[in-house]
Amino acid sequence: AQSVTQLDSHVSVSEGTPVLLRCNYSSSYSPSLFWYVQHPNKGLQLLLKYTSAATLVKGINGFEAEFKKSETSFHLTKPSAHMSDAAEYFCVVSDRNSGGYQKVTFGIGTKLQVIP
Amino acid sequence: NAGVTQTPKFQVLKTGQSMTLQCAQDMNHNSMYWYRQDPGMGLRLIYYSASEGTTDKGEVPNGYNVSRLNKREFSLRLESAAPSQTSVYFCASSVGTSGGGEQFFGPGTRLTVL
Repeated sequence: AQSVTQLDSHVSVSEGTPVLLRCNYSSSYSPSLFWYVQHPNKGLQLLLKYTSAATLVKGINGFEAEFKKSETSFHLTKPSAHMSDAAEYFCVVSDRNSGGYQKVTFGIGTKLQVIP
Repeated sequence: NAGVTQTPKFQVLKTGQSMTLQCAQDMNHNSMYWYRQDPGMGLRLIYYSASEGTTDKGEVPNGYNVSRLNKREFSLRLESAAPSQTSVYFCASSVGTSGGGEQFFGPGTRLTVL
């Protein structure tokens, strides 16, 4: 079975401090993993993706994530938060099920608040 | 290159009314999806179309129907709207089963059912 757990529903950081958004997953196959960002009243935008290449993935706007198979984690980090990073972030897992079709599961989201 | 477009952006319905949400993509993607987003629940898949000519139920299909009109267009129909269908609806597309699973999203339709 495939699932995604975002460990924090809300994260609050001060501007200029590091960001850590946590995500754990389970998958029966070799998954692809994604982080999407959603700014208020907007659609979802891809931040970064892991598809079985390098385990440390760099994305847009200074974000990166590390795929750790032993811990089944794909945490999102950024060294220094900006006010514009305030948004909701979704961790997503995608793999092929036994029928060969791609199944995609979204986490429930983490709202990031950045305090001036 | 507009990506994924959705119409309308906003809609208010009365209980029992019907409507169709339209979605189109210009990326030549094979697969298309309809999601609903509710507070604290992330995105839940309503229906998807793995390729032109096929549609399948997702996690929450009850009360909805879909049509994959052609490769570009995938519509979602509410035959008899209910207040529980008040939500934000997102259409998405992806290359398909040969791709890495990345989906491209439209801007969403905010639907209120009174």
